[in-house]
Amino acid sequence: EAGVVQSPRYKIIEKKQPVAFWCNPISGHNTLYWYLQNLGQGPELLIRYENEEAVDDSQLPKDRFSAERLKGVDSTLKIQPAELGDSAVYLCASSLAPGPYYEQYFGPGTRLTVT
Amino acid sequence: GNSVTQMEGPVTLSEEAFLTINCTYTATGYPSLFWYVQYPGEGLQLLLKATKADDKGSNKGFEATYRKETTSFHLEKGSVQVSDSAVYFCALSRANAGGTSYGKLTFGQGTILTVHP
Repeated sequence: EAGVVQSPRYKIIEKKQPVAFWCNPISGHNTLYWYLQNLGQGPELLIRYENEEAVDDSQLPKDRFSAERLKGVDSTLKIQPAELGDSAVYLCASSLAPGPYYEQYFGPGTRLTVT
Repeated sequence: GNSVTQMEGPVTLSEEAFLTINCTYTATGYPSLFWYVQYPGEGLQLLLKATKADDKGSNKGFEATYRKETTSFHLEKGSVQVSDSAVYFCALSRANAGGTSYGKLTFGQGTILTVHP
């Protein structure tokens, strides 16, 4: 069974440029998460989807970040414009359903460097 | 709010040494507790979990016991191997269904473990 797929694995952009990250969850997983992981820190939730609905986006900086999950399968996270402080690893995870009894499976992440 | 605190790292051990990584938490209610491991170049993987007080999670020789009285979930292994070198994250998740934060994982800052032959 394929795991969570993310692309690209690495991205280097100049500040003020736009960037997008893509995630394909495990087949059949209805819940999808985007996490931000700063260097030396644990991941922090940005947004959670149940199917195509964003049910928790309280931590998403909506002035520059946006996300979508069309058709309730793969998802895209976008930053426009990027700032130096956005340099981090962006992790996608999926689970069969929400809640602590359903394991979250993580992708390898996209490492973003903003120069 | 919910939070997780892990012991400061990095931790460096010789092969076959005993490992303890401390984790304490602050949460309302009775959360579920997890240890995740991140090997170099790979994504986070669930190592073990416990969903109620006094539960012991175990996997691959690692163990952790959910201690409500001390709000702790310390990770232990009796004999570490070089292949255990990784970053270890303690995390919690709210156990009560409902609400937008249901299922949200709150992580500690991670502890880097290096095991030498």
